[in-house]
Amino acid sequence: GQQVMQIPQYQHVQEGEDFTTYCNSSTTLSNIQWYKQRPGGHPVFLIQLVKSGEVKKQKRLTFQFGEAKKNSSLHITATQTTDVGTYFCASNAGGTSYGKLTFGQGTILTVHP
Amino acid sequence: DTGVSQDPRHKITKRGQNVTFRCDPISEHNRLYWYRQTLGQGPEFLTYFQNEAQLEKSRLLSDRFSAERPKGSFSTLEIQRTEQGDSAMYLCASSLDGGISPLHFGNGTRLTVT
Repeated sequence: GQQVMQIPQYQHVQEGEDFTTYCNSSTTLSNIQWYKQRPGGHPVFLIQLVKSGEVKKQKRLTFQFGEAKKNSSLHITATQTTDVGTYFCASNAGGTSYGKLTFGQGTILTVHP
Repeated sequence: DTGVSQDPRHKITKRGQNVTFRCDPISEHNRLYWYRQTLGQGPEFLTYFQNEAQLEKSRLLSDRFSAERPKGSFSTLEIQRTEQGDSAMYLCASSLDGGISPLHFGNGTRLTVT
């Protein structure tokens, strides 16, 4: 079945440094969603990308969807301690299976002040 | 919008016992999902409903697991004859109908099987 692989698994940065997590698939994705889960919390939706080559920005966060729709990235500029958490990409198979959102393993971000 | 509500927050049970969890979705959301999450992993899909119809169920879900959404509102997830491997966070989420919609997660029920 469809799988999305995320790298790296862990990332430790100093506050103010940039951070990037990557999401890759061997198959073409119909869409990609990104979620953030704070320690002890639940996943919270950040953004959704649908179009090939799409780029979206939310303040210091930049999300990209690859031209081939097989990969995506989340880049955070000048990290802050509030960025700490696990970032997940997720996608569904499309067609009649919109409900089954498959999550990547996640990238755990630690920010040292 | 009071968000997705799950009950209980924590459940400790002995191996072999049955447990039932409840999820109340956001009221206007037609879709309801159950996921399971273990430490260091992403949420793993279990099943989802559109209104009262259970449309998809993971092959990973053994016969000991059953979910219902009888009136298309709240849902229950029952695990029979629990095993230690069932210990995990069980997350419920809901979303609007209409193709690709973001999931809104509840705080989850943490199950510990001793």
